[in-house]
Amino acid sequence: KQEVTQIPAALSVPEGENLVLNCSFTDSAIYNLQWFRQDPGKGLTSLLLIQSSQREQTSGRLNASLDKSSGRSTLYIAASQPGDSATYLCAVSKDSNYQLIWGAGTKLIIKP
Amino acid sequence: SQTIHQWPATLVQPVGSPLSLECTVEGTSNPNLYWYRQAAGRGLQLLFYSVGIGQISSEVPQNLSASRPQDRQFILSSKKLLLSDSGFYLCAWGAGYEQYFGPGTRLTVT
Repeated sequence: KQEVTQIPAALSVPEGENLVLNCSFTDSAIYNLQWFRQDPGKGLTSLLLIQSSQREQTSGRLNASLDKSSGRSTLYIAASQPGDSATYLCAVSKDSNYQLIWGAGTKLIIKP
Repeated sequence: SQTIHQWPATLVQPVGSPLSLECTVEGTSNPNLYWYRQAAGRGLQLLFYSVGIGQISSEVPQNLSASRPQDRQFILSSKKLLLSDSGFYLCAWGAGYEQYFGPGTRLTVT
């Protein structure tokens, strides 16, 4: 059974720092991995999607990497800003119906 | 462009009462549709998904049910709510490998 773990559960850093969020999964046979952002009491916004054949994806100050063999993904945020404060969730696809298995998220606080 | 609507945004219901949450999608046809529940401090749990009208797959046995009466309408229901049904309910639609989420419904069962 696929399990997704995100560490740390919460992270607080000063504005301007670069930071890394971690996601691990137990079954390396995935179709893809996605990173999402969730603001308090809101729905989710997709940030990056990495196909199983890819190693990384970049969007602006965000870079996500994928190492299938070790069951790990990282989300790198460069030059963090207070507006980056949110909960970041990773999810791996289960099968061709694109069902997602979710981590519990990392709550990120960027202090001005 | 595609949009997804959920209502109500918040709901407080007593134990044993019925539930109906609605989700509608605009700007796309024959999407995969999903209902998730997010408990406090936990990841999202897939409850139901649908690949077409009248086609519902359940991931977790419980007192909830889902229906898809129209192509872009997805309804989550319960005949009798339990305290453990409290949580944040999210509807999503899928296009290819990506899923797009609605704003969610905060359900509190008292």
